[in-house]
Parts: sequence; C-alpha cells; structure tokens
Amino acid sequence: DIQMTQSPSSLSASVGDRITITCRASQTISTYLNWYQHKPGKAPGLLIYAASTLQSGVPSRFSASGSGTDFTLTISSLHPEDYATYYCQQSYSTPYSFGQGTKLDIK
Amino acid sequence: EVELVESGGVVVQPGGSLKISCAASGFNFEDYTMHWVRQRPGKGLEWVSLIAWDGSGTYLDSVKGRFTISRDNSRNSLYLQMHSLRSEDTALYFCAKGGVFGAWYFLDSWGQGTLVTVSS
Repeated sequence: DIQMTQSPSSLSASVGDRITITCRASQTISTYLNWYQHKPGKAPGLLIYAASTLQSGVPSRFSASGSGTDFTLTISSLHPEDYATYYCQQSYSTPYSFGQGTKLDIK
Repeated sequence: EVELVESGGVVVQPGGSLKISCAASGFNFEDYTMHWVRQRPGKGLEWVSLIAWDGSGTYLDSVKGRFTISRDNSRNSLYLQMHSLRSEDTALYFCAKGGVFGAWYFLDSWGQGTLVTVSS
C-alpha cells in the first residue's frame, strides 16, 4: 500500500500570508494526487486533482504542483475562510490513501 | 446540484452488525463510482471502499471480509454493510461521489457523514 505523509501536521498563519503544505508518497504516483479541504462539521471539498488542476469553483489563490513522490499545495494569500484541515490523497492505486492532514489555524 | 445524504449510524456493540446508507441526487447515479471514507475521532480521513458502476467493490485491508459495499441504482442509493464491528471502526462515515478526468480519479462531492459508534 502507498503511504502518504504531509508536513507540517499543523500550521499557524495570518490572514494575507502565503503558505505551503507538502505531501510525499512512499512510491512514485505520477500526478495521481488530489487535495481536499475539510472544516469541522462540514463535508470535505475537492480543491485540486491530477496534482495541479483546480476544481471548478475553487479560488485561484489555491495552486498545487508536483509529480512522482513530492507535491505541494500553496495558498497565495490566506482568507479567513481558508482556516481548515487540508488532506492530500493518492489515486494511483487502491487503497486510495490520504495523508494525515495539515491543520491550518489563525496566528 | 449534487447532494449526498448519509444515514443509519447508531451505537452498536462490538461484534455486531450495521448497514449504513447514502441517498444520492443531482447526478446520474448509475454512471459513477461511489466511495466510503471514514474519520475516526480526532483522526484524519481514511478511505474505506469503492464500488464501480458495474457493482465491483474494492476495500481497505482492515475491513475486507467484514464490510460489503453495494448500490441500488434504481433507488440512487449506496450502502455499506458492516459485520464483526470493532471499537476501531468507530468513526464518522462519509459517502463520496467519484469523479474522473481522463485517467485521473478523485472524490468530487461528499456528504456530511453518519456516525457509527462501536461500544458496549
């Protein structure tokens, strides 16, 4: 099974900051990598698929890149509604494992 | 608009069984792969199972042989039958719609979850 590791596990940042979250796969997964946002009590939402493609309706301040084993999610300028937990997920092979999550909170 | 509504989560004793459901609307259900993902208390998301349009299922190793995913396309409904439940199966269970773009797969719509608690 493919293991996904995110860093950092938690992050404190201010509105307007630029932040980057990294995700590493235990084996190469090409660009079969998705990013999700999850707020407590809400349904998770898809942000990015195929490593760098923005899901329809997601603000352009979100971007992502990577291939192989190393991936990043960047938020260019934090908005108050961006405080949430972010997960990467590989869709290269089942089980479609998630990273452990990165909790982003207000500094 | 896609809507996914899970139901059926309750408190069940260890070793017990439970079937949870997901009602889907807003898309042509029979054409899409569907998934179950869970979140244990205080933990992250964990993919559990998927069922393809043709009814074929795939499972996380720790639930294989105990859980069965199924769908009823006539009712636009997804199910997860769980047997031999363990305390570690305690979680919020999310239903999610599979998306595809070329060779890339993702979960593009999610429900809000149903809580399964395994406890005596």
